[in-house]
Amino acid sequence: DQQVKQNSPSLSVQEGRISILNCDYTNSMFDYFLWYKKYPAEGPTFLISISSIKDKNEDGRFTVFLNKSAKHLSLHIVPSQPGDSAVYFCAASGGWNYGGSQGNLIFGKGTKLSVKP
Amino acid sequence: EPEVTQTPSHQVTQMGQEVILRCVPISNHLYFYWYRQILGQKVEFLVSFYNNEISEKSEIFDDQFSVERPDGSNFTLKIRSTKLEDSAMYFCATSLGGLGGTQYFGPGTRLLVL
Repeated sequence: DQQVKQNSPSLSVQEGRISILNCDYTNSMFDYFLWYKKYPAEGPTFLISISSIKDKNEDGRFTVFLNKSAKHLSLHIVPSQPGDSAVYFCAASGGWNYGGSQGNLIFGKGTKLSVKP
Repeated sequence: EPEVTQTPSHQVTQMGQEVILRCVPISNHLYFYWYRQILGQKVEFLVSFYNNEISEKSEIFDDQFSVERPDGSNFTLKIRSTKLEDSAMYFCATSLGGLGGTQYFGPGTRLLVL
């Protein structure tokens, strides 16, 4: 039961161009979404989040867009840098609407981003 | 910058043995979580812990698993009798708030059950 889906296992982008990572979800009760970046043998590192009351959140080179009607979110990285090469995970949380959950995260399978110099 | 730490970084154990994985949360955080990632699979929620009790647990978190915060600092995950399928990376995460609070992850413990 994949409630959070990242359908692209990998993405390759040229340095300086835009990277767009996509995520779809099925549960309309999710109300908080996060993107994490992960290097091999390390824990996920928080990048950026968005609550369901917003449709965009920006932090430096990273922007997350949320389309609730389509149950879709995306992470834009502009400009992409070789150091951005990592696996990116989309995660969702249900908050109080989700049966009183204390906020456990449900992750997608990840997209491996490669930024080529 | 404060960070979550985990020990050990690697652990190899024999099937049926008990293991304890340790986590030191960010000092003012109140909510604690364990997740695991089996090789090649997604990160999966195991359990959440708040105010010295389990808030929520997944179906993975069966009677072989337990958590506690014995001394107010370390947050531990115990697996009583390990199975081969328990081999995975185990991540501790902590957050200041529980609902919509950003969770910060530790570096993980790689557990290998032989």
